[in-house]
Amino acid sequence: SQTIHQWPATLVQPVGSPLSLECTVEGTSNPNLYWYRQAAGRGLQLLFYSVGIGQISSEVPQNLSASRPQDRQFILSSKKLLLSDSGFYLCAWSGKRGNYNEQFFGPGTRLTVL
Amino acid sequence: AQSVSQHNHHVILSEAASLELGCNYSYGGTVNLFWYVQYPGQHLQLLLKYFSGDPLVKGIKGFEAEFIKSKFSFNLRKPSVQWSDTAEYFCAVNAQNSGTYKYIFGTGTRLKVLA
Repeated sequence: SQTIHQWPATLVQPVGSPLSLECTVEGTSNPNLYWYRQAAGRGLQLLFYSVGIGQISSEVPQNLSASRPQDRQFILSSKKLLLSDSGFYLCAWSGKRGNYNEQFFGPGTRLTVL
Repeated sequence: AQSVSQHNHHVILSEAASLELGCNYSYGGTVNLFWYVQYPGQHLQLLLKYFSGDPLVKGIKGFEAEFIKSKFSFNLRKPSVQWSDTAEYFCAVNAQNSGTYKYIFGTGTRLKVLA
């Protein structure tokens, strides 16, 4: 069966510090991968998606970047965090299960920037 | 541009009350529709989905949703809620045959069921 992991689960970082959040998927190959941010009262906002290794599409201009160094690994990064980067970050995948139309979500990372 | 509207941001119900959460979307083409639920401290998980066929879709835990194409709506219903249904509910849309399978989510509805 397929599983998706995210770490860390929670993170507290000072403004201006770097960020690296990791997402890995097991049990499937060639998944589409997605990063979302969930902010209170604003639902889930798609930040990045990837249809293959090294292929990243950005949905909104921001202080963050994403990379996909391996087929089942998706990393969210920042060189210098802003207060506004605080939020709950969710990784998701879609694949042959669900014919790529259905997304499966990880447990999320709660980021607090102070 | 695609958008999804969930008009009820907070809903409070007593146990056994009926539930209907509204979801309207804006998109000119054919869409897939989803309802996800996030229980406190848990992953976002799929409640039900509509791709095609019967517009009345039944999901887990007694939930159902009806796709009304003319109204661009996909409202979620449950005849009798339980305390355990307390959660945040999200409606989502993706465009069929878009090649990217990106979701557009609504802002969510927080449901609190009083025992």
